[in-house]
Amino acid sequence: QVQLQESGPGLVKPSQTLSLTCTVSSGSISSGSYYWSWIRQPAGKGVEWIGRIYTSGSTNYNPSLKSRATISVDTSKSQFSLKLSSVTAADTAVYYCARGASGYSSGWYNYFDFWGQGTLVTVSS
Amino acid sequence: QSVLTQPPSVSAAPGQKVTISCSGGSSNIGNNYVSWYQQLPGTAPRLLIYENNKRPSGIPDRFSGSKSDTSATLGITGLQTGDEADYYCGTWDSSLNAWVFGGGTKLTVL
Repeated sequence: QVQLQESGPGLVKPSQTLSLTCTVSSGSISSGSYYWSWIRQPAGKGVEWIGRIYTSGSTNYNPSLKSRATISVDTSKSQFSLKLSSVTAADTAVYYCARGASGYSSGWYNYFDFWGQGTLVTVSS
Repeated sequence: QSVLTQPPSVSAAPGQKVTISCSGGSSNIGNNYVSWYQQLPGTAPRLLIYENNKRPSGIPDRFSGSKSDTSATLGITGLQTGDEADYYCGTWDSSLNAWVFGGGTKLTVL
């Protein structure tokens, strides 16, 4: 059973860069047709996908974040990370890391099968 | 405004059946598999349905999924109070080249 654990500062000042790390355990970060994603959820609102990275380094991001997000991976540490620049109060949310499965089976499939417990990041001075 | 449209809330009595709809377009639901997630209060979402209608190990067969054209539906039978949660649909959008979620549906078991 793959386990994911988010870590990072719980408080970030406006205009600064939010940095989070997700550590993957009980499974290889490099195995299979998987990718690694960040997803966030403001209090009382729905979930929003931030972006994903394959261990090859290939990335995709939510266009709504307008290039503020950067996701990287360190396979030697079984970790992947998120940097979100120029944060505002609107970036205050619970941030989740998740494993995504993708492939082709009579059609393209994508789904998130394992999630971290989430970490609250508050943007405030 | 979410790319995928879900009703904000649904409700039903214990033991009854409920369905939750998820409407999209040709670039997302129309050409990609849909997955559903259950988020119990205070917890992370968990995978409920993948590839439109498949259940991961441990998910009871009271939960089912279907897809037709650009819409998907989650069905829950034999409702229990423990099913009270927020439910999200999601899929890849080939035009946006991004993952998209529905806005979420809050299920109340009266």
